[in-house]
Amino acid sequence: EPEVTQTPSHQVTQMGQEVILRCVPISNHLYFYWYRQILGQKVEFLVSFYNNEISEKSEIFDDQFSVERPDGSNFTLKIRSTKLEDSAMYFCASSEDGLAGTVITQYFGPGTRLTVL
Amino acid sequence: KNEVEQSPQNLTAQEGEFITINCSYSVGISALHWLQQHPGGGIVSLFMLSSGKKKHGRLIATINIQEKHSSLHITASHPRDSAVYICAVPISYNTDKLIFGTGTRLQVFP
Repeated sequence: EPEVTQTPSHQVTQMGQEVILRCVPISNHLYFYWYRQILGQKVEFLVSFYNNEISEKSEIFDDQFSVERPDGSNFTLKIRSTKLEDSAMYFCASSEDGLAGTVITQYFGPGTRLTVL
Repeated sequence: KNEVEQSPQNLTAQEGEFITINCSYSVGISALHWLQQHPGGGIVSLFMLSSGKKKHGRLIATINIQEKHSSLHITASHPRDSAVYICAVPISYNTDKLIFGTGTRLQVFP
C-alpha cells in the first residue's frame, strides 16, 4: 500500500541552525501538508501546498518557515534559524485531488522528531 | 472560537470491551477525520466521514452534522488498539486547514 515517508526520523540541531525536513508524498497525490505537534500538545496545522504554491498557512508559519517541492517527488519544510520552541514532531501529509469544496482523506507520514538544543 | 473537544481524555479497558470515544466541534464543517496516533508518535488516518456511519473491521465511526458530534467505537477491543485517538475537522468549509482535538488516550489491558 502506498505511504507517505519522511526523513530523517529524528533530527537534533543547535539553536540558530537551518534544518530541512523531507517528505515523499504518495505519488499521485496533489495536495501536501505540514503539521507539527509539540510534546504533550495538540497537532497543529502549519501549511498546505497545491500546484506549486502555498494554499493556506497558519499564524505559526512565519518567515522562518518555507516549503518547497524541488522535484516531482519530494516536499520539504525548511526552518531557517531554529529556536528552542521549534522542538516538536513534524508530520507531512498528502491527499489526492478532490472536487472543489470537498474534504478528502489526508495520509500522514510517520513524522520527524526535531530537537533544538 | 473554533474548538474540537474530545471525551474522555483517558480511557482504560479490559480486552474485549466495547469502547466509545466522543468528539464535539463548534465549527460548521462538511466532514470530520478520525486519526490514530501510535505510542511511537506516527499518525494513521482511520476515517474521513461527512454523514452517517462508516465501518472498518472492528472500528465504527458515526457523525451527526446537525448536532456537531461524532463518535468512534471499537468493538471487541484488543491491547493492540492502545493508542491516542484524535478527531480533526476543517476550520471552515472549502479549506484543508484542520484543527485537532486533544486526543483520547486508550489503554486496553489483556
